[in-house]
Amino acid sequence: DARVTQTPRHKVTEMGQEVTMRCQPILGHNTVFWYRQTMMQGLELLAYFRNRAPLDDSGMPKDRFSAEMPDATLATLKIQPSEPRDSAVYFCASGFNQPQHFGDGTRLSIL
Amino acid sequence: ELKVEQNPLFLSMQEGKNYTIYCNYSTTSDRLYWYRQDPGKSLESLFVLLSNGAVKQEGRLMASLDTKARLSTLHITAAVHDLSATYFCAVDSDSNYQLIWGAGTKLIIKP
Repeated sequence: DARVTQTPRHKVTEMGQEVTMRCQPILGHNTVFWYRQTMMQGLELLAYFRNRAPLDDSGMPKDRFSAEMPDATLATLKIQPSEPRDSAVYFCASGFNQPQHFGDGTRLSIL
Repeated sequence: ELKVEQNPLFLSMQEGKNYTIYCNYSTTSDRLYWYRQDPGKSLESLFVLLSNGAVKQEGRLMASLDTKARLSTLHITAAVHDLSATYFCAVDSDSNYQLIWGAGTKLIIKP
């Protein structure tokens, strides 16, 4: 079965460090989403792309987060500098219309 | 603003019992999705409901959609422990490709 692939699966780093998360969407999917999930806030949409163009990143803290899609097989989410409140599970999802298919997530811990 | 409300948010039940999770939404969307998330895992698409009156069934789970009432239900029949998970409903946000998510219903089924 085709799957959304996210790397790394786990990341532990110190406050102030740069964090880069990567996502390989399912081949043929033209929409890619980045979500963040925490116990307190639940599932939050951070940003998404359609045909590699960013459509909405209003859910992201602009001063420290950035999302890009350099080609159709790679989406990235960067945090610089990272803060403890960024600790969460970050999911990438892709789709061609709906439903969205989710990757296994990156579990991020900022110390 | 489009809102999606699930209830209950938490449900503890005995094996063998029946129960229903409700998903209300505030727009005229006629496309609704149910997802399942096991603890520490990703979100998995369960049902795609694309029109008024749509009903889908998989094993002990049955989902239905009433677009006039803006209501979807996820019915669990003769619950078994393996169905313990968090269930999310999500609704298409009209034309901008993203889904609007409910807060999730955490279901615990006790032997």
